[in-house]
Amino acid sequence: DADVTQTPRNRITKTGKRIMLECSQTKGHDRMYWYRQDPGLGLRLIYYSFDVKDINKGEISDGYSVSRQAQAKFSLSLESAIPNQTALYFCATQDIRDSEKLFFGSGTQLSVL
Amino acid sequence: AQSVAQPEDQVNVAEGNPLTVKCTYSVSGNPYLFWYVQYPNRGLQFLLKYITGDNLVKGSYGFEAEFNKSQTSFHLKKPSALVSDSALYFCAVRDANQAGTALIFGKGTTLSVSS
Repeated sequence: DADVTQTPRNRITKTGKRIMLECSQTKGHDRMYWYRQDPGLGLRLIYYSFDVKDINKGEISDGYSVSRQAQAKFSLSLESAIPNQTALYFCATQDIRDSEKLFFGSGTQLSVL
Repeated sequence: AQSVAQPEDQVNVAEGNPLTVKCTYSVSGNPYLFWYVQYPNRGLQFLLKYITGDNLVKGSYGFEAEFNKSQTSFHLKKPSALVSDSALYFCAVRDANQAGTALIFGKGTTLSVSS
């Protein structure tokens, strides 16, 4: 969905490097989410935010941090990347006025060598 | 705690045949249930939802799903499959009685429709 933009689309980095994945949205939704997708494991929730002042840990938050800079921006950071963080990362926003439907970005494929 | 299970990694059907993709869930309260579809190299797209009301819900692209409270299931169905339905399908759940919780997804089921 073009209204939820993730950058970069692809990233290759080395073990121990700090990396930031960015997500911006033009939908005006308060709620934003970060998920990672691994083959055979589906989508797992990393962090979510219900508004600018609200940050919550998900199932697998260890090794990650987030920043909600504004309603439209929600960044995910890996302070010291490790190979098992290689995955496809998705940002999503949520419309609580429309049955809580999620709108996903196109994803960031991250490879940690 | 809330959880969702998709017991089949892959479902294979012939074009024109009916399809079913299975999903079971576990929540302590009432469930909000969703199906999403992911086409190759794309993000997930919403298909349909169950919040309350009729147990049979209809969604996009001719898909429907049946909520069965006693079996804690929410299977996705389509009467006549198309090759273009081939994709990865995710079931998701949230406990409606738990404010502040997020949607939890299953592991996904790959649907392959052959011509």
